[in-house]
This record gives sequence, structure tokens and C-alpha cells, in this order.
Amino acid sequence: DQQVKQNSPSLSVQEGRISILNCDYTNSMFDYFLWYKKYPAEGPTFLISISSIKDKNEDGRFTVFLNKSAKHLSLHIVPSQPGDSAVYFCAASNSGGSNYKLTFGKGTLLTVNP
Amino acid sequence: NAGVMQNPRHLVRRRGQEARLRCSPMKGHSHVYWYRQLPEEGLKFMVYLQKENIIDESGMPKERFSAEFPKEGPSILRIQQVVRGDSAAYFCASTGGQAYNEQFFGPGTRLTVL
Repeated sequence: DQQVKQNSPSLSVQEGRISILNCDYTNSMFDYFLWYKKYPAEGPTFLISISSIKDKNEDGRFTVFLNKSAKHLSLHIVPSQPGDSAVYFCAASNSGGSNYKLTFGKGTLLTVNP
Repeated sequence: NAGVMQNPRHLVRRRGQEARLRCSPMKGHSHVYWYRQLPEEGLKFMVYLQKENIIDESGMPKERFSAEFPKEGPSILRIQQVVRGDSAAYFCASTGGQAYNEQFFGPGTRLTVL
């Protein structure tokens, strides 16, 4: 039972264009969502997050959108750069208690072509 | 990733041996999470610890796996009598301070069981 789904295993984009990575979740108890970027043989690096009380959060080239009714979030990268090429993981947590364990999707491999 | 240390980075064991993975959280962090990533999969939660306490071990296999986070020293994930299916990347993450929702990951330990 996969509670966080990233249905696109890979995405290829031209440098300078927008990259849109999508994520769906099924557990309505999730109230905090994060995106991580991961290079091979390294640990995930935190990118950006959003609380369920918001529908948008922006940080530089990265924007995350949350649609609670659809249980869907997306990460927009504008403009995309070759250095953005990596695996992107969507993660979710339920911060109702004090346990912030993350549930991850399987990841989307983004390739930004020069 | 800065600040979370894991060692060893690579560990090779033969079937039946023990594996010990260490994680030192970021300075000032007292919460440690362990995750496992199998090939082609996302990260899966294993265990959440605070100093001297296991808070949630719902993701740990019932046998052969144990974890601790002593008052002094790193957190240890211990796998007894390893089998080939234990081959994976094991990541730890730490949180603390104001941002309990944002976990910072170490570089991971890649365990190979021969």
C-alpha cells in the first residue's frame, strides 16, 4: 500500500524551461510535505516543504503547490539548470504527534539537457 | 546533508555476519530516524529514536534488526546474521531545534551482503 506516489519514474527537460514533478498521496492524515533531491551515492538533500495550511510555498527557483482536495502536490523548477539533474523524492508526514517519520515516494529522475 | 555523519560509507559482509551502522546527528539534534532504500525504491522508515529511547520501531523487521541511541555516542543500527536481502542503502536523518519537520540526512551506508 503505497501512501505516497510519484507516477513518473523519469522526466527530461531542456535547460531554461520549467520542470514539473508531481506527487499524489492517499493518507489524509498527512499534513506536512517535503521535497528532497538526491544525487547517486549521496543522502537526500532537503529542498522545500509545505504545510497543509498553505497551498503554495516558494523559494528561489523552486515552488511547491499543494491541492489538498485532490491530495496532490507538485514541484516547479524555473528555470531548470543542468545541475538540477537528480532524483527528486516527495515525502509526507503527520505532525499531529511528536513523530515526524517520513513516507517517501519512489522518486522521479529529472534530466535537464543543456 | 551537512553535519549528519554516517560510517562506514560502504560495508561488505558475508551471510550470517553482523553489520553495525553508525550515525552521528547534527550538532544540537537529539532525534534520529533510520531509513532503508532498496534498489529502485524510495526510502522506507525503519525506526525513530531519541536519546536512550526508541520512540517508534514500526518499520523495523521483527528479527535480527535492532537500534539504539545511547546518552553518549552515535546511534547504532545493528543487523545480526545478515542475508542477501539486507543489501541496501541505509540512511539516517536527524531533527531538532525549531524545525522538527525537516529532517537532515547523512550520506548513507551501502551494505552489500555476499
